[in-house]
Amino acid sequence: AQSVTQPDIHITVSEGASLELRCNYSYGATPYLFWYVQSPGQGLQLLLKYFSGDTLVQGIKGFEAEFKRSQSSFNLRKPSVHWSDAAEYFCAVGRRRALTFGSGTRLQVQP
Amino acid sequence: GAGVSQSPSNKVTEKGKDVELRCDPISGHTALYWYRQSLGQGLEFLIYFQGNSAPDKSGLPSDRFSAERTGGSVSTLTIQRTQQEDSAVYLCASSTLTSGSTDTQYFGPGTRLTVL
Repeated sequence: AQSVTQPDIHITVSEGASLELRCNYSYGATPYLFWYVQSPGQGLQLLLKYFSGDTLVQGIKGFEAEFKRSQSSFNLRKPSVHWSDAAEYFCAVGRRRALTFGSGTRLQVQP
Repeated sequence: GAGVSQSPSNKVTEKGKDVELRCDPISGHTALYWYRQSLGQGLEFLIYFQGNSAPDKSGLPSDRFSAERTGGSVSTLTIQRTQQEDSAVYLCASSTLTSGSTDTQYFGPGTRLTVL
C-alpha cells in the first residue's frame, strides 16, 4: 500500500529565511509525486510535480523539490520565504488513480 | 480557462437530512475524483470516475455515500441521513488521464459541510 509521511506538523520560519519541508513516501513502483499548497478556506493548488527525468523539479512561486529514490524522499525547498507563503503544504503520491496525501505541514512565517 | 467549480461553497444541515454536493470539472477532463478533508482524518480519497468505466468506490466510508457522474461531466456526491462525523470539506478534482498525460489532478475550492 502506498503512504506518505510528512514528519513536521508545524514549521515557523522568518521571512527571508530558507525553507525545507520533508516528505517521505512508500510506493511499489515508480511514483508520481506532487506538492500542493492550501491557503485558509481555499482548495489545493499544485506547486510542482515529479513524473520522471531530472530529479530536481521547479514549481511555481519559487519552490523546488528534489526526488531521491534511495531515501524515498521528495522534499520541498524555497531559498527565501515570503509572508504570503504561510499556508498548509501537502505532499502526495499516486499514479493514474487516487492520490494518497500526507497529513500536511503548516507553515507560519514570522516578520 | 475555467477551473474546477463546486457548489455550494458552504452547506449546513441537520443530522439525518440528505445533502447533495456538486462538482463541475475542467472541460475535457475525463477523470473526476472526490476527496474528503476532515480534522481527524486528513485528506481521504472517496471515489473516482474515469470515462465510461465503472467508478472506483473503494474510498466511500459507508453506504450512505454515493456519487454519480452524468454525461461524463458534472458529478454529484450524495450523503444520505447525514451524521455529525460527516462534517468536513469535500474536495473535487479532475484530470485528463489520457495516454501520455501527466495525470495531474486539479482541485476545486471545496464544499464545507457542517452537520448540526
